[in-house]
Amino acid sequence: NAGVTQTPKFQVLKTGQSMTLQCAQDMNHEYMSWYRQDPGMGLRLIHYSVGAGITDQGEVPNGYNVSRSTTEDFPLRLLSAAPSQTSVYFCACRPRAGRGSLDGYTFGSGTRLTVV
Amino acid sequence: AQSVTQLDSHVSVSEGTPVLLRCNYSSSYSPSLFWYVQHPNKGLQLLLKYTSAATLVKGINGFEAEFKKSETSFHLTKPSAHMSDAAEYFCVVTADTGRRALTFGSGTRLQVQP
Repeated sequence: NAGVTQTPKFQVLKTGQSMTLQCAQDMNHEYMSWYRQDPGMGLRLIHYSVGAGITDQGEVPNGYNVSRSTTEDFPLRLLSAAPSQTSVYFCACRPRAGRGSLDGYTFGSGTRLTVV
Repeated sequence: AQSVTQLDSHVSVSEGTPVLLRCNYSSSYSPSLFWYVQHPNKGLQLLLKYTSAATLVKGINGFEAEFKKSETSFHLTKPSAHMSDAAEYFCVVTADTGRRALTFGSGTRLQVQP
């Protein structure tokens, strides 16, 4: 089982360029999310999706777009890259569950993005 | 609203000595709490989780954590550190609401000295 696959693993962009970070999961999980990790700040939620066709903003959504056309894929788009978006990006997914139940989050291995 | 505070950004221990990584949380709802570990240049791996069952939770690799509601704490412990435990550890809270997004602490980097 591949779990959660993120591509690319590394990327360098120039300011103003656009790109898409890919996230694919093969576990048929409904919930997918994108986080960014910056030194001393833990991970912060960018966008999330509770199922195909449904997305919503997280804590730090500005400068990013997402879409969820299939259960498997949840791409993150940078519209016009800025140096402040230099970070490590993680995709995570989990199955839908009822209130109070155990939820296992599975994380991808991350994409390290540098914007110069 | 929910938040997590990891009280130490760095902890250094000698191999074979106990490990204590401290975490305090706040949540408006009944929280679920997790500890994740991240080894250098790797993704995050779940160590253990608390979801309102037993307050003492046992995880992988000999780690355990105790949920103390009166102290709003969820400290991570291990009786004897191993060199392979050197990594960054994140305390995470999620609320029992529809969105169930994760809120991360800022992380504690554990160093294990030989």
